[in-house]
Amino acid sequence: KAGVTQTPRYLIKTRGQQVTLSCSPISGHRSVSWYQQTPGQGLQFLFEYFSETQRNKGNFPGRFSGRQFSNSRSEMNVSTLELGDSALYLCASSLATVETQYFGPGTRLLVL
Amino acid sequence: SQELEQSPQSLIVQEGKNLTINCTSSKTLYGLYWYKQKYGEGLIFLMMLQKGGEEKSHEKITAKLDEKKQQSSLHITASQPSHAGIYLCGAVYNTDKLIFGTGTRLQVFP
Repeated sequence: KAGVTQTPRYLIKTRGQQVTLSCSPISGHRSVSWYQQTPGQGLQFLFEYFSETQRNKGNFPGRFSGRQFSNSRSEMNVSTLELGDSALYLCASSLATVETQYFGPGTRLLVL
Repeated sequence: SQELEQSPQSLIVQEGKNLTINCTSSKTLYGLYWYKQKYGEGLIFLMMLQKGGEEKSHEKITAKLDEKKQQSSLHITASQPSHAGIYLCGAVYNTDKLIFGTGTRLQVFP
């Protein structure tokens, strides 16, 4: 089975722009979670989607949003980018909520 | 404050030595996961513990969850350079969200 894939792998944006990241889960997995990882804050939970519905949300501003499609693929959007949004964004999929999560390689976003 | 604390923050050991990483929770755990991360890459699932007193092993890595389900340890026997990376524990509390610890950076030198 193919693992979790994320595109793009690397991205450079400037302040004020918006960005969309994509995640394709392992086949058969219906839950997709997103995380932000920075040296200062570590790995922080953004949100989780299951069957196209947001089930959980972390403590991030409304500029961070996501969605899940009927094929379980998920996208994450960040609007009005700030320098502090520079991070590694990781996506993880699982069969269902509270099942073991398997992570993708991440998208490294640099905001200039 | 962090709900999940790991110690030590970093560890440098000589190849062949044993080592232990600890993960302490401020509240009772519903489940505890251990992951390994190579710098700048995704997380690799190692193992998951749910029951108090549970112990699991995979190759030379053993993880235990204490009886009170508030602390876990990860032990590596006869470390190798391939064990180098960042080890992260992740906890599930009653919110169903996976909360990660602060991470332990392991370096293994020949």
